[in-house]
Amino acid sequence: AQSVTQLGSHVSVSEGALVLLRCNYSSSVPPYLFWYVQYPNQGLQLLLKYTSAATLVKGINGFEAEFKKSETSFHLTKPSAHMSDAAEYFCAVRAGGYQKVTFGTGTKLQVIP
Amino acid sequence: SQTIHQWPATLVQPVGSPLSLECTVEGTSNPNLYWYRQAAGRGLQLLFYSVGIGQISSEVPQNLSASRPQDRQFILSSKKLLLSDSGFYLCAWSVSLTGELFFGEGSRLTVL
Repeated sequence: AQSVTQLGSHVSVSEGALVLLRCNYSSSVPPYLFWYVQYPNQGLQLLLKYTSAATLVKGINGFEAEFKKSETSFHLTKPSAHMSDAAEYFCAVRAGGYQKVTFGTGTKLQVIP
Repeated sequence: SQTIHQWPATLVQPVGSPLSLECTVEGTSNPNLYWYRQAAGRGLQLLFYSVGIGQISSEVPQNLSASRPQDRQFILSSKKLLLSDSGFYLCAWSVSLTGELFFGEGSRLTVL
């Protein structure tokens, strides 16, 4: 079984401040982990993925995430928030060997000017 | 490059009417195909996935069905819509061993 928990359905940060979106996963086998971004009324776009090659993963738009097995976490960060980062972010997990990708309930990021 | 097309983008249907949402992928062969539904505050719910023509796995018992008549075509259907079928439906494809998904633009269904 696999699952994802995203802590905080809404996060607000000031423009230029650090962005930290939290994700914890559960998987019975080594997982593949993903972060997606969704803008209103659009599909999801892949930000970055963890595939066991490196624990610190860099993605698009300046985002990165660190895989911590001991904490079963895969938190998303960005050093300096931009207004265009306002969107909903989803963490997802796929247990190796399975076809299903399970998503968290999402975190809406608000960037305050 | 690969692209995914999903239509219609929006539709308003009365309760009890049929439904057909279509999704096609271009630029790749033998993709895994997925239908997700997104409801406010509930994230993405996997409805169906398919690893090949005619192979459909259902994740949630409901009055929806899916079909894959061609390698790159995935159809979501219902014979009689319920109010609870309202939502944002997303089609996605994947070919990578790591399983990252690539999504269509979505179809917003409102059942009245």
